[in-house]
Amino acid sequence: GAGVSQTPSNKVTEKGKYVELRCDPISGHTALYWYRQSLGQGPEFLIYFQGTGAADDSGLPNDRFFAVRPEGSVSTLKIQRTERGDSAVYLCASSSRTANTGELFFGEGSRLTVL
Amino acid sequence: GEDVEQSLFLSVREGDSSVINCTYTDSSSTYLYWYKQEPGAGLQLLTYIFSNMDMKQDQRLTVLLNKKDKHLSLRIADTQTGDSAIYFCAEKATGRRALTFGSGTRLQVQP
Repeated sequence: GAGVSQTPSNKVTEKGKYVELRCDPISGHTALYWYRQSLGQGPEFLIYFQGTGAADDSGLPNDRFFAVRPEGSVSTLKIQRTERGDSAVYLCASSSRTANTGELFFGEGSRLTVL
Repeated sequence: GEDVEQSLFLSVREGDSSVINCTYTDSSSTYLYWYKQEPGAGLQLLTYIFSNMDMKQDQRLTVLLNKKDKHLSLRIADTQTGDSAIYFCAEKATGRRALTFGSGTRLQVQP
């Protein structure tokens, strides 16, 4: 597609539930990133994929968070047993491997609210 | 570790220049970036500078980099009401693909 697409744009769930957030990167971009942005804060790195594999998952806060990218394109961020502190905007970005500048192209985000 | 700091808020009058400042701690930064976020929208890259440069100009935008002091600034000339947004400084360290972002500076432009 023309840009990074994220669904859903808004998700309200109850504490303890399971949530999946989807990201469709720019066509041809091999690198995909997940960030989390809490209110009044900058984006906080969660995980980075190069192709199908997670090249850096050092930002995942705990084992309730997991992400996959099985075919090297669409990615899903999965959050188990959600907690109120998980409420944030989850941002996805992609970039081209050949772009030495490392520019990231962001989607509009999925706003998650845990009640 | 990497840390990027920004002031929270800046208010200017339309037509004035705006200067947004950022400090970072990682001396291995290769690229530094300025992103803009408008309400309800994703982050958009405004400009970037390679770490071996000290200045970059792009139309109304001027980026200054003081690598010794690890200080980055973004100057917006002739600021317009459409420039009202949150501006994020970000850095890319050697050997990492992910960017580290500051907490953002909210720019308010008064008519």
